[in-house]
Amino acid sequence: QQQVKQSPQSLIVQKGGISIINCAYENTAFDYFPWYQQFPGKGPALLIAIRPDVSEKKEGRFTISFNKSAKQFSLHIMDSQPGDSATYFCAAGYSGGGADGLTFGKGTHLIIQP
Amino acid sequence: KAGVTQTPRYLIKTRGQQVTLSCSPISGHRSVSWYQQTPGQGLQFLFEYFSETQRNKGNFPGRFSGRQFSNSRSEMNVSTLELGDSALYLCASSLSGMNTEAFFGQGTRLTVV
Repeated sequence: QQQVKQSPQSLIVQKGGISIINCAYENTAFDYFPWYQQFPGKGPALLIAIRPDVSEKKEGRFTISFNKSAKQFSLHIMDSQPGDSATYFCAAGYSGGGADGLTFGKGTHLIIQP
Repeated sequence: KAGVTQTPRYLIKTRGQQVTLSCSPISGHRSVSWYQQTPGQGLQFLFEYFSETQRNKGNFPGRFSGRQFSNSRSEMNVSTLELGDSALYLCASSLSGMNTEAFFGQGTRLTVV
């Protein structure tokens, strides 16, 4: 069964600290790994995505690290701010033709304390 | 550029009824995917439509169906509603499929009583 395991389930970080969320996948055919941010009452918003041909991708304060051999990838939020408080989902899917949809992790509820 | 629009935002239905949800994708996007979000199961893929054709379907019973129109707008139908169908239903649009950037709507909150 295709699964994406996400941890931790919840995370509390002080303002200015680094928030780290980890995901592990099973299907080695996955080759598209996005992260989504969701605020209460809103749909998920694409934050950043990576493909397995790179080990790291950075966009502003958000960085994805990817370890293909370990089948793991993680999201780092640098200088975390109260406005970053949200639920974060990792996902995995296939690039190229066709689509099975994205397989999502269960989510991490992140709270940034001022 | 307008985002993904889902209507209605909220719905309350009775067990046994059926419901139709609507999704208007971003202009120019040809792929629309539907997801069910619940606290227990998280986000689960329902199906994806591309150019009016269902390309793939997740592991949901046949009570869940959908379609896509020539203008890429999509509808999702759930028949014979069960209490367990209460969820946030999200649609996502992308240019060519879930392998590319997908943008989600705000969802339709369905409550079955």
